[in-house]
Amino acid sequence: SQKIEQNSEALNIQEGKTATLTCNYTNYSPAYLQWYRQDPGRGPVFLLLIRENEKEKRKERLKVTFDTTLKQSLFHITASQPADSATYLCALLSGGSYIPTFGRGTSLIVHP
Amino acid sequence: DAGITQSPRHKVTETGTPVTLRCHQTENHRYMYWYRQDPGHGLRLIHYSYGVKDTDKGEVSDGYSVSRSKTEDFLLTLESATSSQTSVYFCAIFSGGENTEAFFGQGTRLTVV
Repeated sequence: SQKIEQNSEALNIQEGKTATLTCNYTNYSPAYLQWYRQDPGRGPVFLLLIRENEKEKRKERLKVTFDTTLKQSLFHITASQPADSATYLCALLSGGSYIPTFGRGTSLIVHP
Repeated sequence: DAGITQSPRHKVTETGTPVTLRCHQTENHRYMYWYRQDPGHGLRLIHYSYGVKDTDKGEVSDGYSVSRSKTEDFLLTLESATSSQTSVYFCAIFSGGENTEAFFGQGTRLTVV
């Protein structure tokens, strides 16, 4: 069955460092991969989308890579700040699908 | 912010009672979704709609029904609430095109006692 794996353990890092979160998937051939941020008590908020034919995407301090051979996406936040503390979710979509399937998310805690 | 609102935001109900959650959008998006979010499970799709009166089941649809009589409204009904349906429910709308992103409502925290 299709599976999306994100590290269930929280990632603790020091302010100013680069945070790297991982999304692995199996039995899936996504055309798109998305990353969302979710703060406690709120709905997820879209951050970035990367297509299967793209290796890397950047937006301000965010960078996403997509390796369809490894079936993995890495999500980087450079120069992290305490305000970046949140849960980050990856979501996959098949080609022609409008139904995102979400991973369970990884909690990021940035310490001042 | 995308125009999507959920009501109610919080509800406590008794086992066996019917409950309806409402999702309202002002974006005229074709696709609307209901997810539930539980610790250890993440976001799981309950039902989705791809147009007025067009709906389909998601991963965890048992015990839930939906209706969409207008583009802007998508209702989720628990016919007879059970304690296992205690959860946070999120409605989402989907914009196609270049960004292909989902916009989520604020969530409804439902407790079945």
